[in-house]
Amino acid sequence: KQEVTQIPAALSVPEGENLVLNCSFTDSAIYNLQWFRQDPGKGLTSLLLIQSSQREQTSGRLNASLDKSSGRSTLYIAASQPGDSATYLCAVLRGATNKLIFGTGTLLAVQP
Amino acid sequence: DVKVTQSSRYLVKRTGEKVFLECVQDMDHENMFWYRQDPGLGLRLIYFSYDVKMKEKGDIPEGYSVSREKKERFSLILESASTNQTSMYLCASSWWAQPQHFGDGTRLSIL
Repeated sequence: KQEVTQIPAALSVPEGENLVLNCSFTDSAIYNLQWFRQDPGKGLTSLLLIQSSQREQTSGRLNASLDKSSGRSTLYIAASQPGDSATYLCAVLRGATNKLIFGTGTLLAVQP
Repeated sequence: DVKVTQSSRYLVKRTGEKVFLECVQDMDHENMFWYRQDPGLGLRLIYFSYDVKMKEKGDIPEGYSVSREKKERFSLILESASTNQTSMYLCASSWWAQPQHFGDGTRLSIL
């Protein structure tokens, strides 16, 4: 059974710092991996999607990497800003089922 | 931009009531999903639909049913609401294996 873990559960950093969020999964047979952000009381916003054949994806200050063989993904945020404060969730897509399995998220606070 | 609209942000119902949560998307997506989100448990898939009138159970379907009569609308039904169904409910839509787009959620309280 696929399990997705995100460590740490919470992270606080000063503004301007570069940071890395971690995601691990137990079954490497994934179709893709997605990173989302969730603001308090809101739905999820898709940030990046990495196909299983890819190693990384970039969007602005965000860079996501994928190492299927080790069951790990990282989300790198450069030059963090207070507006980056949110919960970040990773999710893996099982095979051809189109079903996402989510981690429990990392709550990020960027201090001004 | 894709828009996924959930009919209510907050809803309070009583135990035993039949509850309808509505979700509408405007991007002609074939796939639609209902999740619930609880502290410490994360997001869990209740049901999803891959086409009109087609549905498939997710990980926690017990106590719920769904309806998809039109492509843009996906309804979640709590047949007889119970207090353990108090939660945040999130609807999403997508093309197959593409990023899912979420609504803002419905915070449902069952008293």
